[in-house]
Formats: sequence, C-alpha cells, structure tokens
Amino acid sequence: NAGVTQTPKFRVLKTGQSMTLLCAQDMNHEYMYWYRQDPGMGLRLIHYSVGEGTTAKGEVPDGYNVSRLKKQNFLLGLESAAPSQTSVYFCASSYRPEISHSYGYTFGSGTRLTVV
Amino acid sequence: AQKVTQAQTEISVVEKEDVTLDCVYETRDTTYYLFWYKQPPSGELVFLIRRNSFDEQNEISGRYSWNFQKSTSSFNFTITASQVVDSAVYFCALSEKGVNTGKLIFGQGTTLQVKP
Repeated sequence: NAGVTQTPKFRVLKTGQSMTLLCAQDMNHEYMYWYRQDPGMGLRLIHYSVGEGTTAKGEVPDGYNVSRLKKQNFLLGLESAAPSQTSVYFCASSYRPEISHSYGYTFGSGTRLTVV
Repeated sequence: AQKVTQAQTEISVVEKEDVTLDCVYETRDTTYYLFWYKQPPSGELVFLIRRNSFDEQNEISGRYSWNFQKSTSSFNFTITASQVVDSAVYFCALSEKGVNTGKLIFGQGTTLQVKP
C-alpha cells in the first residue's frame, strides 16, 4: 500500500526552465492538493482538485498549473521556473470532506525543488 | 476568513521538561476540524491528532495531550517529559466543513528543539 507517491524527490532547475511534479495516490481518494512549504510560513495551498477533471486555485497559485486527468494522479507544472519557487512541495489526498475528517489526509514525502 | 496562528516560532527545552505548543485559530464555520502534524528532520508529515469542533474533551495519548478550548479558539499541544526524539517542527491546521473543499489551513509551525 504505497499511499501518496511524489516524483521526483529532489530537483534543481535553472531559471526559466519548466518541469512537472507528479503525485500519485492509490487510495481512491477524490480530493487532492498541492502545498508548498517555506521557512516560517507553514504549508500554503497552491492548487487543489475535488475530482477527476476538476482543479481550483488555492492561496498561492501564481506561476503554477495543475491537471487531474486521472483520479489517481495530480500533476503540478512550473512553466517558467523562478528562484521564488524554490521550496519543498507536498502533495496530499483525502476522501470527500464529509468523510475525510474521519479518515484524515495522506501526505506524500515531499519534493525539494531548487531554482537557480 | 480562516486562519491558524502559532505564535511560537522556536522553543528549546532540556530533555524531561514539559512543553506546550500554542495554536490559535479563526473561523466563521460552526463545524470545523483541527489537526496537529509533526515534521521530523527527515521531512515527512506525521499525523498526530484530529479534533472536531463539537468535541471539546481533552485528549491524552502517552506523553502527548491536547487542550481544545472553543471559548478562546485555541488547540494547544503539550508534551510531557520531552525526549530528544520529539525535536521536530509541529504544525497546527484547520479544516472547515462548510467550505466543502477539504482544504487544510496550516499555521506557521513551531520548531521544537529538545536538548539532552
């Protein structure tokens, strides 16, 4: 039972390069989320999805795009990386809120991204 | 608007001391859920507890205890007889049922250092 798997775990990008972070879950969760973690700021929500084919903006969406073509996958894209996007990225998934609060959220192990 | 505040940025204690981590939240929803997560130096997020707004009973789990007070909008976390392995960043988080997105709003985190 893998839970939530994020790839890659580490990446260094040059300013202006693009990349995609993959989040995959095998728990049949409806909801998926992308957060970024920065020192002193906790985890901030970038984008989220409440089901296959749907996405919505979170607190800090600028510079990122997402897609949820399959229920089990949630992709986070950086079209033109900037040093301000240097961060640790976490993916999470959950059931629908009416039952997710009983089962909680499952987080991936994180992706450490450095943009130089 | 929902908000979680962890005013203590860093706390340093000596092993076997008791330590309390503060969490204050803001929400307009009458039904909400509060969480604590631990992030050890390895970086993953470890779920510690979930509490819903209708349950104000304090909870104890081994050396950990949580004090939920709706009157002061606080959900404080106490570690009794701290150990070096408790050294980590601790996050308090809030989720509102009424929003129906399942979003978790995190506090800034408190870094706890337990010295031997």
